[in-house]
Amino acid sequence: DSGVTQTPKHLITATGQRVTLRCSPRSGDLSVYWYQQSLDQGLQFLIQYYNGEERAKGNILERFSAQQFPDLHSELNLSSLELGDSALYFCASSVGPGQGNGYTFGSGTRLTVV
Amino acid sequence: GDSVTQMEGPVTLSEEAFLTINCTYTATGYPSLFWYVQYPGEGLQLLLKATKADDKGSNKGFEATYRKETTSFHLEKGSVQVSDSAVYFCALILAVYAGGTSYGKLTFGQGTILTVHP
Repeated sequence: DSGVTQTPKHLITATGQRVTLRCSPRSGDLSVYWYQQSLDQGLQFLIQYYNGEERAKGNILERFSAQQFPDLHSELNLSSLELGDSALYFCASSVGPGQGNGYTFGSGTRLTVV
Repeated sequence: GDSVTQMEGPVTLSEEAFLTINCTYTATGYPSLFWYVQYPGEGLQLLLKATKADDKGSNKGFEATYRKETTSFHLEKGSVQVSDSAVYFCALILAVYAGGTSYGKLTFGQGTILTVHP
């Protein structure tokens, strides 16, 4: 157990729907990161939050949004889902904004859009 | 932009063989370098890291040395086991300073699938 908790582990939904993925960071970590892993794109950075504020943005679609709450958990909202959004979504956390210690990853949420 | 390039996979070895997975990077500054491992059905785990030139990271028999002159961070293990079968990701973090604080994002290579046969 890495200490980063992601729920749900699996999600199957239809095209056009909206889903919310949840992440609780490791105790003491202030930064949360979201990554998408797909077979053709590899691991893609989506977005980073630090202590409730958005800190960096990567290849995140406009249909996707995220936030970090005062208790530091984070949610990734995916809307108007398309078949191509099927992927593993990972959350990671780190103590600071992110430098030398790397990140701790959760076990991921597997999203299947049908 | 910053990027990481890993050797093409997949890599298939027999147990006790020597492993090398090549990794090179491009970065505008001086990144920290990492190897992550992903076992089947699991998330990514930090395997080892190096934060400055000539540092050697090591863990579970794996080693990698931060080579600034060749911008490389190759992963090696002298004798692989079946249990080492996994996907290995090379990655870098480059700190960005803005507004009095710093942040950085982990940039991954494409991953290398390693399969070890008995």
